[in-house]
Amino acid sequence: EVQLVESGGGLVQPGRSLRLSCAASGFTFDDYAMHWVRQAPGKGLEWVSGISWNGGYIAYADSVKGRFTISRDNAKNSLYLQMNSLRAEDTALYHCAKDLTYYQITGTIDSWGQGALVTVSS
Amino acid sequence: QSALTQPPSASGSPGQSVTISCTGTSSDVGGYKYVSWYQQHPGKAPKLLIYDVSKRPSGVPDRFSGSKSGNTASLTVSGLQTEDEADYYCNSYAGNNNVVFGGGTKLTVL
Repeated sequence: EVQLVESGGGLVQPGRSLRLSCAASGFTFDDYAMHWVRQAPGKGLEWVSGISWNGGYIAYADSVKGRFTISRDNAKNSLYLQMNSLRAEDTALYHCAKDLTYYQITGTIDSWGQGALVTVSS
Repeated sequence: QSALTQPPSASGSPGQSVTISCTGTSSDVGGYKYVSWYQQHPGKAPKLLIYDVSKRPSGVPDRFSGSKSGNTASLTVSGLQTEDEADYYCNSYAGNNNVVFGGGTKLTVL
């Protein structure tokens, strides 16, 4: 059974940084692209970033480009999201998510973590 | 990276069918086969319902079906059941490793 468990969320002041982690199990982690998807309270899903199986391809939503960095450690079956220069509008539940397709980023997400809540407020 | 357009709400009575649209551009929905639909109940993580426009993962009832015409994808829920009341989201690959979601549709079963 695929399990994705996020950690590292919390309350942070505007302009500060936070690093999210996602521990993956139940599948061959380095075979699949991974994503971060967020959902602000009462709002819809927003794709944040994706990374291919080996980190060779990475993309970001315009709303986080230049501030957020996605990475992965296949030896540790882990996905990360480094979030810098945080803004109030970054407040959301951040889901770690697995792509359905081998190796490449397609955006077809077949497994989701329960999410890590990030609150940006002074 | 503009969000795909979905109607904010849809509704139907038990047993009826309802169709939810998802409109993008030739750079996302119209340009790729990677269009998916997700169901999200309150307080839960989303669940994949349809992928590659019209394919169903194992375990998803055949009451759920997907299609695409040009830049618009559609999700049809046939034989509505009370448990189908949820939020529904589409997403699409948008080229250069980018992904875009729709704004979501709240489905009410009357």
